[in-house]
Amino acid sequence: EAQVTQNPRYLITVTGKKLTVTCSQNMNHEYMSWYRQDPGLGLRQIYYSMNVEVTDKGDVPEGYKVSRKEKRNFPLILESPSPNQTSLYFCASSNIRSTGELFFGEGSRLTVL
Amino acid sequence: GENVEQHPSTLSVQEGDSAVIKCTYSDSASNYFPWYKQELGKGPQLIIDIRSNVGEKKDQRIAVTLNKTAKHFSLHITETQPEDSAVYFCAATPLYNQGGKLIFGQGTELSVKP
Repeated sequence: EAQVTQNPRYLITVTGKKLTVTCSQNMNHEYMSWYRQDPGLGLRQIYYSMNVEVTDKGDVPEGYKVSRKEKRNFPLILESPSPNQTSLYFCASSNIRSTGELFFGEGSRLTVL
Repeated sequence: GENVEQHPSTLSVQEGDSAVIKCTYSDSASNYFPWYKQELGKGPQLIIDIRSNVGEKKDQRIAVTLNKTAKHFSLHITETQPEDSAVYFCAATPLYNQGGKLIFGQGTELSVKP
């Protein structure tokens, strides 16, 4: 089954404790992206990657890091989480040179105390 | 950069009625306009999209219209059903297949009452 898998789905952590949200897709997509969803603000792009070893900042990259060492994986790293990073996070992938449809994961709800 | 405004933020309709969600965009270079539906507890899913060389596109009960001059596009859902209840997002981007950023609207929570 074609899918984007994120882990963990739910996480409560404390300020300053480094964490990683993993994302993996099995559709051989070149394009992958991270979004955060906050009430009244819609989906805002954090980082995206057009291919292996190619990453670019989205609209809200501060406080986040990403890496793209393999085509299927695109982890989101919070080096020193703060309460304003409490949000619902979505990973997405796309065969951008075809239809352009974004396939989203189920989301990861992060709470930073 | 691109900015997308979406209205209304919430919409309640009776089953069988039509629902219309409107979006405006700022970048005249934008040429790809998708709509995503997000059901409770799930990630958004593409339901329909339109490119700038087309003014209208239909898929069963849903349709999207695009007015490039006014820089706005709309989602129309006819004969609404309870399963249409969800959050809907519009989006816009130029040069999408060359790495353009897809900018989303704020979302519309649609509630269809039986």
